[in-house]
Amino acid sequence: GENVEQHPSTLSVQEGDSAVIKCTYSDSASNYFPWYKQELGKRPQLIIDIRSNVGEKKDQRIAVTLNKTAKHFSLHITETQPEDSAVYFCAASYSGYSTLTFGKGTMLLVSP
Amino acid sequence: EAQVTQNPRYLITVTGKKLTVTCSQNMNHEYMSWYRQDPGLGLRQIYYSMNVEVTDKGDVPEGYKVSRKEKRNFPLILESPSPNQTSLYFCASKGLTEAFFGQGTRLTVV
Repeated sequence: GENVEQHPSTLSVQEGDSAVIKCTYSDSASNYFPWYKQELGKRPQLIIDIRSNVGEKKDQRIAVTLNKTAKHFSLHITETQPEDSAVYFCAASYSGYSTLTFGKGTMLLVSP
Repeated sequence: EAQVTQNPRYLITVTGKKLTVTCSQNMNHEYMSWYRQDPGLGLRQIYYSMNVEVTDKGDVPEGYKVSRKEKRNFPLILESPSPNQTSLYFCASKGLTEAFFGQGTRLTVV
């Protein structure tokens, strides 16, 4: 089955800095890669996703890049703000009605 | 409003006392899943269901049961809970892409 590795497990940045979280996947058949944000005490919620036919996708201060050859994808957050502090999970699946495999998560701490 | 509803939100129980955590979704999704979340271990899949009457084991199925008699409901059953099942549990349903999570159930087994 699919295996998703996520790094780093913890990331501390100053407000205004950029943050990058990286994930690798094992199954070359995976073609859908979402990122979820989980604020303290809340449920995970989708913030951005990318399909394998796209190399990069942006939504305001967040972007995701995908390298299919190397089987890795990354989340980039620019101009970080304290409200970006949360746990971020990457995931991979074969699109369609298939299961999502999650990475172990990255706790992002943004200090004012 | 599209939502996944779990109950209860919090549960403290004793070892060996059977319990059920309910999960219901209103999005007509065929796929539903249960995860447990523990510090440092991320979201680990317990069981999933691709459709009514179809369930499969995830990564950590031991000690859990599920059923899918109706499309909207996917209860998680702990027949004989043990302290190592103390965790935060999430139910999720998924269409073609995005997964929607329930509010979570924090279970403590003493």
